[in-house]
Amino acid sequence: DIQMTQSPTSLSASAGDRVTITCRASQSISNYLNWYQQKPGKAPKLLIYIASSLPTGVPSRFSGSGSGTDFTLTISSLQPEDFATYYCQQSYSTPGTFGQGTKVEIK
Amino acid sequence: QVTLRESGPALVKPTQTLTLTCTFSGFSLSKSGMCVSWIRQPPGKALEWLALIDWDDDKYYNTSLKTRLTISKDTSKNQVVLVMTNLDPVDTATYYCARSGSYPYYFDNWGQGALVTVSS
Repeated sequence: DIQMTQSPTSLSASAGDRVTITCRASQSISNYLNWYQQKPGKAPKLLIYIASSLPTGVPSRFSGSGSGTDFTLTISSLQPEDFATYYCQQSYSTPGTFGQGTKVEIK
Repeated sequence: QVTLRESGPALVKPTQTLTLTCTFSGFSLSKSGMCVSWIRQPPGKALEWLALIDWDDDKYYNTSLKTRLTISKDTSKNQVVLVMTNLDPVDTATYYCARSGSYPYYFDNWGQGALVTVSS
């Protein structure tokens, strides 16, 4: 199975900060990488699909990039509602493995 | 509007079999390209994809759990069922169902989740 490794595991940031989370795949997954946001007690929400596409309704401060094995999720200006845990997921092959998550906390 | 809702027992004893039902609306699993997956999350831990069924009744399973899982659908009822056998306390988790399109599978709509505790 393809392993997904996120870094950092957690980070502290202030509102207005630029935040970057990375995700590395154990083998090339082309651009088949998705990002989800999960708030406590809630289901995950699709944030980015196929590396860089935003679903309707996701704010433009979220962006994704990368291909092959290395990917990045960037929040250009962190908002109070963005404090959450973020997961990457590869959909290159089944099972669609997830990363271990990155918790974004208030500084 | 797409909605999904998981239902099933909240408490299961070790070695027992778990049956979870996902009831959905706002889309049809008989439509080409539609898929429903089950994904779980142990308390405080990461997400783990379990199984997927598509509009054509093709089924895919997590390789490490394949022998214990069965996924099926009832298109007339808009339901997808997951059966997991031989439960263990490590299977304690919130179980989600989620919709995706066909490959590559990304999950654009999720249920609220159902917490299943495995304990004697």
